[in-house]
Amino acid sequence: EPEVTQTPSHQVTQMGQEVILRCVPISNHLYFYWYRQILGQKVEFLVSFYNNEISEKSEIFDDQFSVERPDGSNFTLKIRSTKLEDSAMYFCASRKQGADTEAFFGQGTRLTVV
Amino acid sequence: SQKIEQNSEALNIQEGKTATLTCNYTNYSPAYLQWYRQDPGRGPVFLLLIRENEKEKRKERLKVTFDTTLKQSLFHITASQPADSATYLCALDTGGFKTIFGAGTRLFVKA
Repeated sequence: EPEVTQTPSHQVTQMGQEVILRCVPISNHLYFYWYRQILGQKVEFLVSFYNNEISEKSEIFDDQFSVERPDGSNFTLKIRSTKLEDSAMYFCASRKQGADTEAFFGQGTRLTVV
Repeated sequence: SQKIEQNSEALNIQEGKTATLTCNYTNYSPAYLQWYRQDPGRGPVFLLLIRENEKEKRKERLKVTFDTTLKQSLFHITASQPADSATYLCALDTGGFKTIFGAGTRLFVKA
């Protein structure tokens, strides 16, 4: 069964460093998303990406965040200068079409900022 | 802004009984509502999607209802098993580009 894969599974970084989280969505999917989940809290929307551009972003997704689809398969989330409060599980998701299709989530990258 | 509330933080039931989880939403009229399962340390897994013009949807032991007047969805697991123990998330889409999740209900099924 096709799946969304994320790497690395765990990343530890120093405060102020840049991190790039990587995702390979399912190959024929058109909509891509990043979410985050701080430990013990709910899943929060960060950004959606469609047709090679950002479709929507939340207030969390400020200038420190960026997304890219550098080739036909990868989808990345970059955090330019990490803060302690960026520590969370980051999930990538993809969908074949829009709101009436299921979203497939990756297993997540646990980001720890020290 | 749109808000989703899942009424119970945790629900404990005996194996074989029906679990019923509630999701209420405000300030929005979603065309679709979804339910996901999340196990500790794992990503959400899609279970069911229900459209605004569907009152009820079933999949094996799962049933979802959607009342757009009450702005409420109910999620039922019949003949529950210990393996059903997990957190269940209600989610609504705001036009396909953004999904808002509820905080989830942790279900414990005791053997």
